[in-house]
Amino acid sequence: DGGITQSPKYLFRKEGQNVTLSCEQNLNHDAMYWYRQDPGQGLRLIYYSQIVNDFQKGDIAEGYSVSREKKESFPLTVTSAQKNPTAFYLCATRRATNEQFFGPGTRLTVL
Amino acid sequence: GENVEQHPSTLSVQEGDSAVIKCTYSDSASNYFPWYKQELGKRPQLIIDIRSNVGEKKDQRIAVTLNKTAKHFSLHITETQPEDSAVYFCAASTAGTASKLTFGTGTRLQVTL
Repeated sequence: DGGITQSPKYLFRKEGQNVTLSCEQNLNHDAMYWYRQDPGQGLRLIYYSQIVNDFQKGDIAEGYSVSREKKESFPLTVTSAQKNPTAFYLCATRRATNEQFFGPGTRLTVL
Repeated sequence: GENVEQHPSTLSVQEGDSAVIKCTYSDSASNYFPWYKQELGKRPQLIIDIRSNVGEKKDQRIAVTLNKTAKHFSLHITETQPEDSAVYFCAASTAGTASKLTFGTGTRLQVTL
């Protein structure tokens, strides 16, 4: 998981603003994932991508969008339609043998 | 879809004692079961996993058991140490290109001196 970077580490969003969270990997893994973690709770899947130029909605996709133009990159946009976006956002990649590894996360706060 | 339940939500043990965390899953097609450890403010770290073709796997002080018939799996930590204090998450998925993990809600383990 040292090969997964997320930026920024902390992000502050004003009401009605779209923000984009970056996730980059150099592990050469095909599959990438975005999870949301709320305090004291588990991880919930937002979006995932098995291959470049393809992605699927997870369990809580409303108010979020993604793109997968390059194998190394899977950015997540939190739109103004997401009414309660304050959370810890984690990006992950998956090895062909199924193990998932996480990036360091971005903590998003709505002001 | 898959549903994973995890118990207990909090667990306090004395240093040197054993800790057991249990999870159940609903989808009989699930065949991959990882466990993650998350320290405060950090990313989850994969500590051990088990696949449905084995019943038990051990790595030093940690072990995981799987009962496919009952659809439950457990994490066992022996000789606990203060550095084992963290939140532990179980998860389940089917293997393959469409694989996605469903997580339990976590167990906060506190190892006291």
